[in-house]
Amino acid sequence: GQNIDQPTEMTATEGAIVQINCTYQTSGFNGLFWYQQHAGEAPTFLSYNVLDGLEEKGRFSSFLSRSKGYSYLLLKELQMKDSASYLCAVRGNTGTASKLTFGTGTRL
Amino acid sequence: DSGVTQTPKHLITATGQRVTLRCSPRSGDLSVYWYQQSLDQGLQFLIQYYNGEERAKGNILERFSAQQFPDLHSELNLSSLELGDSALYFCASSVGVGGHYGYTFGSGTRLTVV
Repeated sequence: GQNIDQPTEMTATEGAIVQINCTYQTSGFNGLFWYQQHAGEAPTFLSYNVLDGLEEKGRFSSFLSRSKGYSYLLLKELQMKDSASYLCAVRGNTGTASKLTFGTGTRL
Repeated sequence: DSGVTQTPKHLITATGQRVTLRCSPRSGDLSVYWYQQSLDQGLQFLIQYYNGEERAKGNILERFSAQQFPDLHSELNLSSLELGDSALYFCASSVGVGGHYGYTFGSGTRLTVV
């Protein structure tokens, strides 16, 4: 099975930097995803990590350590529109079944 | 517009009834996934189809069933509805399986059971 933990809620101010952590336990691992979800709307893809290290995409960066079962999403120069839930999701190693298991999300 | 179309957007129905939710994946995507999101809950995986075949199943209730048709659209059937089935139901699609293929989500169907 898979277990994903992330903080329920975080608060930050406009212009600041915030780091949202995610820890996971999984029987297999085939990638970690971050999604953004505004209230009542569909999640939208932010980033993907499968190898250790940092992936940067504009104001958003995501880091992965497979040995620690740990990832974080870093948001810089926060804007009001960044107020949303951020979902960490893991794809287990299940052959051709590629389902993602989501954490409960961090409301920012 | 993400390219994944879900209908209807809203549905209000009574307990004990049956409803069908429809999803058309993004053009070229072969995989369809169904998720349930209850109030303040995470996305719970229900079922996955790939090119018409069931590929993975989550904690989907026996009262729920789904299928993917030859044109790749999918339907989720919910029967003997209970108050606790009230939730947002999302469909997502991806072009393949594994690798860096993330999901593209539809806008969801908000189901209210009264």
